[in-house]
Amino acid sequence: GQNIDQPTEMTATEGAIVQINCTYQTSGFNGLFWYQQHAGEAPTFLSYNVLDGLEEKGRFSSFLSRSKGYSYLLLKELQMKDSASYLCAPLDSNYQLIWGAGTKLIIKP
Amino acid sequence: NAGVTQTPKFRVLKTGQSMTLLCAQDMNHEYMYWYRQDPGMGLRLIHYSVGEGTTAKGEVPDGYNVSRLKKQNFLLGLESAAPSQTSVYFCASTQGAGDQETQYFGPGTRLLVL
Repeated sequence: GQNIDQPTEMTATEGAIVQINCTYQTSGFNGLFWYQQHAGEAPTFLSYNVLDGLEEKGRFSSFLSRSKGYSYLLLKELQMKDSASYLCAPLDSNYQLIWGAGTKLIIKP
Repeated sequence: NAGVTQTPKFRVLKTGQSMTLLCAQDMNHEYMYWYRQDPGMGLRLIHYSVGEGTTAKGEVPDGYNVSRLKKQNFLLGLESAAPSQTSVYFCASTQGAGDQETQYFGPGTRLLVL
């Protein structure tokens, strides 16, 4: 079956760095997306990885290891506005997104 | 450009009532999707469409029907609402189904079935 595993909740301090991990098992693989979702709002695109390695985009970076079925999202210089849920979503062989339940990130001053 | 819009934003139904949720996109996207999101669970695909006049079932299609008569619109119908259909419904669209095709989401419709 298809399965996505990511922590339910994490807490970090403003200005710090946090890493949100995601492990996945899918029928085929065509890349992995990370989305951000603020409470009561729609998900918005953060990053896409299809090859192994690190993709950096400003304060956010995303890493992929296809052989391990593993990805992480790294957030640097945390700001209060980063308080949100972060959704890991690999793309399966049918190009369907398989969504994790998300990691709720709480930023404390 | 408005992007993806959804109507209504919030609705309360009684068990057995019917309703239609409307999704509209102005990005000329081919693919459109309906998801539901429940607490503690990931987004689950209800139905999707790969183009005008075509629809297909997703992971949780039972109790829902859809239509894509115009490219820009994707309608989700509940014929006889049940309390288990209380959820937040998101519509999304994308140009294609290939890799790197980001899905753009509407603001969501919050549905409460009593």
